[in-house]
Amino acid sequence: RKEVEQDPGPFNVPEGATVAFNCTYSNSASQSFFWYRQDCRKEPKLLMSVYSSGNEDGRFTAQLNRASQYISLLIRDSKLSDSATYLCVVNMIRGQEGLTFGKGTHLIIQP
Amino acid sequence: DAGVIQSPRHEVTEMGQEVTLRCKPISGHNSLFWYRQTMMRGLELLIYFNNNVPIDDSGMPEDRFSAKMPNASFSTLKIQPSEPRDSAVYFCASSPRDFSYEQYFGPGTRLTVT
Repeated sequence: RKEVEQDPGPFNVPEGATVAFNCTYSNSASQSFFWYRQDCRKEPKLLMSVYSSGNEDGRFTAQLNRASQYISLLIRDSKLSDSATYLCVVNMIRGQEGLTFGKGTHLIIQP
Repeated sequence: DAGVIQSPRHEVTEMGQEVTLRCKPISGHNSLFWYRQTMMRGLELLIYFNNNVPIDDSGMPEDRFSAKMPNASFSTLKIQPSEPRDSAVYFCASSPRDFSYEQYFGPGTRLTVT
């Protein structure tokens, strides 16, 4: 089983729509969770952290379900500029800083 | 402020040659990470340093790969000898403090080994 799994997509979504995607992780002892965004041929950048209580940042909402070991990202009122690959990221080893990245979900917002 | 700086941005080399990738982290950051990204395997952590000390190198694929951090402002990743399967984008990232998890990535080095 892969450590962090994501649907690679692509998700083709009309501008203004709401889109959601999930990610599952294998290590139940994982401590910290994040979503990073990567534009084509660019470096990844932190989008948001994911907290147990769920968190929202503008049009973006992230949630964590520890019992089922999945993380979700919801994007409301999608913009053309949201087109990117969204990487699910997990810190799997307590006491270490290394991150485990999913392969990403490719999102295309269409006008 | 300057972000993470990597050089070269592109490298094309022949199989068997030595390749050295360079990274300058953001000033004041105390953790540095080397990643490799391919279509097949995604983004993989190779090694990371904390206060210039290697902490976890379990992701280094084999003895052909080595990394050093001689001081807080410079790190290298060396491949000797290089092989075509090493072709990938190599990212360096730095983090401002222990366990902040907000890693700032450099623009990457696109390596092609022919």
